[in-house]
Amino acid sequence: DAGVTQSPTHLIKTRGQQVTLRCSPKSGHDTVSWYQQALGQGPQFIFQYYEEEERQRGNFPDRFSGHQFPNYSSELNVNALLLGDSALYLCASSRPGTGGEKLFFGSGTQLSVL
Amino acid sequence: GESVGLHLPTLSVQEGDNSIINCAYSNSASDYFIWYKQESGKGPQFIIDIRSNMDKRQGQRVTVLLNKTVKHLSLQIAATQPGDSAVYFCAEGGTSYGKLTFGQGTILTVHP
Repeated sequence: DAGVTQSPTHLIKTRGQQVTLRCSPKSGHDTVSWYQQALGQGPQFIFQYYEEEERQRGNFPDRFSGHQFPNYSSELNVNALLLGDSALYLCASSRPGTGGEKLFFGSGTQLSVL
Repeated sequence: GESVGLHLPTLSVQEGDNSIINCAYSNSASDYFIWYKQESGKGPQFIIDIRSNMDKRQGQRVTVLLNKTVKHLSLQIAATQPGDSAVYFCAEGGTSYGKLTFGQGTILTVHP
């Protein structure tokens, strides 16, 4: 049984570009959350998707957007990249009935903005 | 704003010792707490969780203690092994869907 899978594992972009990160949740999970983890910090909540809609959002600008597909997979899009967007982007999924809190994380996408 | 913090950023122990990692939280409305282990190059791995209606929960070699009076959470690891070396995060939730607030982490180093 595959866990949460993310692609790509590493990505290098330049300022002003746009990026799309992808996530497949753990089998049986229907909720996907995205987190940003800067070096040496704990993960910061970006948003959560449930039933193909954004259910909750953290303190991130509108440059960060997402989508959830009928098969529960998800994408994170970041527009107009800034140097400060360099971080590890983590996707996490949770199963129905847990309130979207007991999260299982993927290994992340390491984004470097030059 | 609300935050979850750790008392000690680093902890070094000898193999076989018991480890205790502490965490303070500030949001009294939080009713769900969770510990994660993160190894280099990997995402956080679930260890154990606890609801606010409990003060202790045990797993395999791990115990989480919750003291709501002083807003304190701890993770105890019995018979610590070199494979336990990692960064440990506590996180709080229960106030909004899917939003966990993480602390900055404690680096646990286990010496053989």
